[in-house]
Amino acid sequence: QKEVEQNSGPLSVPEGAIASLNCTYSDRGSQSFFWYRQYSGKSPELIMSIYSNGDKEDGRFTAQLNKASQYVSLLIRDSQPSDSATYLCAVTDNDMRFGAGTRLTVKP
Amino acid sequence: NAGVTQTPKFRILKIGQSMTLQCTQDMNHNYMYWYRQDPGMGLKLIYYSVGAGITDKGEVPNGYNVSRSTTEDFPLRLELAAPSQTSVYFCASRGGASSSGANVLTFGAGSRLTVL
Repeated sequence: QKEVEQNSGPLSVPEGAIASLNCTYSDRGSQSFFWYRQYSGKSPELIMSIYSNGDKEDGRFTAQLNKASQYVSLLIRDSQPSDSATYLCAVTDNDMRFGAGTRLTVKP
Repeated sequence: NAGVTQTPKFRILKIGQSMTLQCTQDMNHNYMYWYRQDPGMGLKLIYYSVGAGITDKGEVPNGYNVSRSTTEDFPLRLELAAPSQTSVYFCASRGGASSSGANVLTFGAGSRLTVL
């Protein structure tokens, strides 16, 4: 059974702080890794995709991938109240499986 | 420029009834997926398809069936609805599985199903 696990939440950080979200996966054959953000009552939307070991930065977001440790993370710098949402880690080969999500609250 | 269209948006079923959730995409995507999301939880993969005529089970396929007769359509059938199938259902599609922009999922708006 392919598993995708995320660090348990909820996570609360003050405005301007760094939020750190973590995800591990069980299938070593996984090739692509994604972070999605989901606001309450809405569909998930893509934040970051990462395919190679190392860091990938996009604005205030940095994704980190370590295939040897089967670990992918998302850092959100200068967190804003608008970042308050549930963050979903997704891992794929042909199927696309999601973790349970981490609910992030950024307090003003 | 519709993307992924799901119908209906809301539906209430009685226990034992059957229904089909419709999903259509106009992006010529090969890969299509059905997920369910229970309150406060992540997305659970029900079924997926890598092309017309090909379907495969995901994590939670019991109580559901799918078909993929065309590239555009991927309907999800619920037989003998049970209260445990009360959930929000999302359909999604992507162009391919390689490490490229085509790999990204496009989601429908979701279908909220209640079984009483």
